[in-house]
Amino acid sequence: DTGVSQNPRHKITKRGQNVTFRCDPISEHNRLYWYRQTLGQGPEFLTYFQNEAQLEKSRLLSDRFSAERPKGSFSTLEIQRTEQGDSAMYLCASNVGGGKTDTQYFGPGTRLTVL
Amino acid sequence: GDSVTQMEGPVTLSEEAFLTINCTYTATGYPSLFWYVQYPGEGLQLLLKATKADDKGSNKGFEATYRKETTSFHLEKGSVQVSDSAVYFCALGMDSNYQLIWGAGTKLIIKP
Repeated sequence: DTGVSQNPRHKITKRGQNVTFRCDPISEHNRLYWYRQTLGQGPEFLTYFQNEAQLEKSRLLSDRFSAERPKGSFSTLEIQRTEQGDSAMYLCASNVGGGKTDTQYFGPGTRLTVL
Repeated sequence: GDSVTQMEGPVTLSEEAFLTINCTYTATGYPSLFWYVQYPGEGLQLLLKATKADDKGSNKGFEATYRKETTSFHLEKGSVQVSDSAVYFCALGMDSNYQLIWGAGTKLIIKP
């Protein structure tokens, strides 16, 4: 396994711009998760996919956020009309099965800075 | 709702000292419990986990026991090293929603 990869690793944007992040999970992992982590806090759940189906979305995921996993492989997270409050580390994780006992494997994250 | 509370950091210890990082949880059901570690500049990595009461997770000299009676999952290590300096996160997983619920993290600093 090559691990979960995320691109870009860093993104600096101006308020009001749109940004898109990509996550490539470990191959054959059918579940994929997005979390957001702000400085000094633990990750907060945003959404998750089983294959290509988006099964749960947090209330944190406002209508400016959209996530896709079109072929059940990689996923994208788009933020439209970015705000300074969107500045955070965006984490992607994946696993097989997704039960409460299953380990989630995390990527290195994409750090977003909104100026 | 379900939640995790960790001791605040930073925790600063000398090399070879004994480490305890406290973690307590609130959950309506029977969660699985995890400790993840985040080394500087790296992603979150699973350190250990326990999936039912009285289970002990262990890895790299770290241990934690799932205590249902005290709703705790404290992380311990008998002799820490400088390389253990990192941020440690306690988390729980429930069948009802598949996400992990996280504590705020505890930064550990080990001085030589």
